[in-house]
Amino acid sequence: GAVVSQHPSRVICKSGTSVKIECRSLDFQATTMFWYRQFPKKSLMLMATSNEGSKATYEQGVEKDKFLINHASLTLSTLTVTSAHPEDSSFYICSAERQRTSYNEQFFGPGTRLTVL
Amino acid sequence: AQSVTQPDIHITVSEGASLELRCNYSYGATPYLFWYVQSPGQGLQLLLKYFSGDTLVQGIKGFEAEFKRSQSSFNLRKPSVHWSDAAEYFCAVGAGDYKLSFGAGTTVTVRA
Repeated sequence: GAVVSQHPSRVICKSGTSVKIECRSLDFQATTMFWYRQFPKKSLMLMATSNEGSKATYEQGVEKDKFLINHASLTLSTLTVTSAHPEDSSFYICSAERQRTSYNEQFFGPGTRLTVL
Repeated sequence: AQSVTQPDIHITVSEGASLELRCNYSYGATPYLFWYVQSPGQGLQLLLKYFSGDTLVQGIKGFEAEFKRSQSSFNLRKPSVHWSDAAEYFCAVGAGDYKLSFGAGTTVTVRA
């Protein structure tokens, strides 16, 4: 159990276009999902926390108008990179939180490689 | 705020040899500690976690980690590595708000 999927796994787009990435918890409900960005050979940087039915909470320095997050249901969160530019090229990873008695554990998706030309 | 340091950027180890990856954390209270592994182009897989109790934690794939509060460390070990253990390893610390802070990662190369 606790499988998280992401779609697409890889996307190439032209500069100025928008790209939507989906994150789904396949076998559990997740009231909270997280979006991370990972640069080559670097750690994961938390971008935002997505709560079902409410606005996302963005980390400092993350442009909320560029990275639109929607968490419309307990199993789906989407990240839309608006007016993408080459510097937005990165590996985006989502995680979904499953409630536990002691600690809410995060389960990670396989990631989406975004390349902006 | 919590933070994690992984002092070793890259470690090369021979197949069959032992492996130890270092992790030091900074957090005011009792931390929740995690080790994740990431294969190239993949998401993160949880190897093991520490919440409380026994300070020696067993994980998947033959990995274990020991929590040492006095040293603020949570080092990962494996007695005998396999070629398939070549990957990126991340240590992470969780706080009360359930956000995870990750270390910079350690790349493990396994030579035949």
